[in-house]
Amino acid sequence: DQQVKQNSPSLSVQEGRISILNCDYTNSMFDYFLWYKKYPAEGPTFLISISSIKDKNEDGRFTVFLNKSAKHLSLHIVPSQPGDSAVYFCAASRVSGKLIFGQGTTLQVKP
Amino acid sequence: GAGVSQSPRYKVAKRGQDVALRCDPISGHVSLFWYQQALGQGPEFLTYFQNEAQLDKSGLPSDRFFAERPEGSVSTLKIQRTQQEDSAVYLCATRGWAGNTIYFGEGSWLTVV
Repeated sequence: DQQVKQNSPSLSVQEGRISILNCDYTNSMFDYFLWYKKYPAEGPTFLISISSIKDKNEDGRFTVFLNKSAKHLSLHIVPSQPGDSAVYFCAASRVSGKLIFGQGTTLQVKP
Repeated sequence: GAGVSQSPRYKVAKRGQDVALRCDPISGHVSLFWYQQALGQGPEFLTYFQNEAQLDKSGLPSDRFFAERPEGSVSTLKIQRTQQEDSAVYLCATRGWAGNTIYFGEGSWLTVV
């Protein structure tokens, strides 16, 4: 049973435009959500997070939106840059801190 | 150290061989996690330590997998009698007391031939 789902395996956008990566979850007990970015042959790198008591968190070009009623979160990257090309994982956790990951979305930003 | 350090980065093991993977956490981080990532998949939870106590080992796939953290710092994931399906990246991650963010190492890439 996949508790965290990223239904788009890949996404391609033009440099300078907005990238929107989506994530759905099924467990309403999750209270913290994170996005990680992964380059080939490297471990996941923390990008941005959001607590379940918020609906938006912004950090520079990255904004995460949380819609609890829809059990949906999204990551917006504006403007997208070629260096953003990577695999993006969303993850959810409960108090214990154990992360449940989605399958990942490969983002390609074209110059 | 500045980040989570894992060794070896790459390991090729013959089927049936035992392997040991090491994780050096960020200094002072009390929570330590091991994840397994198969090709094309997201990381999957294996086990969790708080200091030296192993609080959750529900993700370990079989009794061939064993993890320890005897002094609450360095951790070792041991896989006995490796099988081809054990081939994956093994990721270690740690978290401090105050935050919710979990930081990952670069992973140990295991190939069983």
